[in-house]
Amino acid sequence: EAGVTQSPTHLIKTRGQQATLRCSPISGHTSVYWYQQALGLGLQFLLWYDEGEERNRGNFPPRFSGRQFPNYSSELNVNALELEDSALYLCASSLGGNTEAFFGQGTRLTVV
Amino acid sequence: GEDVEQSLFLSVREGDSSVINCTYTDSSSTYLYWYKQEPGAGLQLLTYIFSNMDMKQDQRLTVLLNKKDKHLSLRIADTQTGDSAIYFCAEGTEGNYQLIWGAGTKLIIKP
Repeated sequence: EAGVTQSPTHLIKTRGQQATLRCSPISGHTSVYWYQQALGLGLQFLLWYDEGEERNRGNFPPRFSGRQFPNYSSELNVNALELEDSALYLCASSLGGNTEAFFGQGTRLTVV
Repeated sequence: GEDVEQSLFLSVREGDSSVINCTYTDSSSTYLYWYKQEPGAGLQLLTYIFSNMDMKQDQRLTVLLNKKDKHLSLRIADTQTGDSAIYFCAEGTEGNYQLIWGAGTKLIIKP
C-alpha cells in the first residue's frame, strides 16, 4: 500500500515568489494535515483539511493557504515567500477522527 | 499557551538503554505520542499512550506517563545504531488533531 507522498522533494524559490507543495494521502484517508518544521524547531501545525474543508488552522499568516481536492489530495500554497519560510514541510493523513496519522517524507523549501 | 519541552540531545552507548524525557503543560491532554524521524525520512509514529494510562510496553519500547507531573518518557532497551534518529514528543486532545510538538531529541549512539 502506498504511503503519503509529497512533491516536490526539494524546492528552491526566491524571495517574493510563490511556492506550491502537493500531498497525496494514503488511499481511504480523508484528513490531511500540514506542518512546518524549521531548522532547530519542533513541528508547527499549519492546516488541517477533512472532507474537502479546512477544519483548523495554525498561527500562520494568510499568505499560507491550501486546499483539499475531491480525491483528498491537498496543496499548500505559500505566497510572497520570505527567507524565514525555508523549512521542511510535512504532510500527514489519517482516517478522519482516527488518532494515528501517517507522514510523508516532506518537501524541503529553500527561499533565497 | 500549551508547551512541550524536550532535551535537544541524548548520547548513549550501543547496547545500553536510552531514556528520552518530555514534559508538557496542557492538563487536558488526551493522547501523548512519540514519533521518530530518521534522516531523509518522514515522521513515523512509534507509539502513543492515553492519558488515563501510566505505562505502555511494545517490544523494546516502554512509555511511562506521570500525569501528575505532566512527564512522559520513552525508554528504548538495548539501543542499536538503527535507533539513531530524532524523537518527537507530542500531545493532543480528543477530537482535535492540532498536536503540540516538542522540538525533538536527537539520539546519538556511541559504539
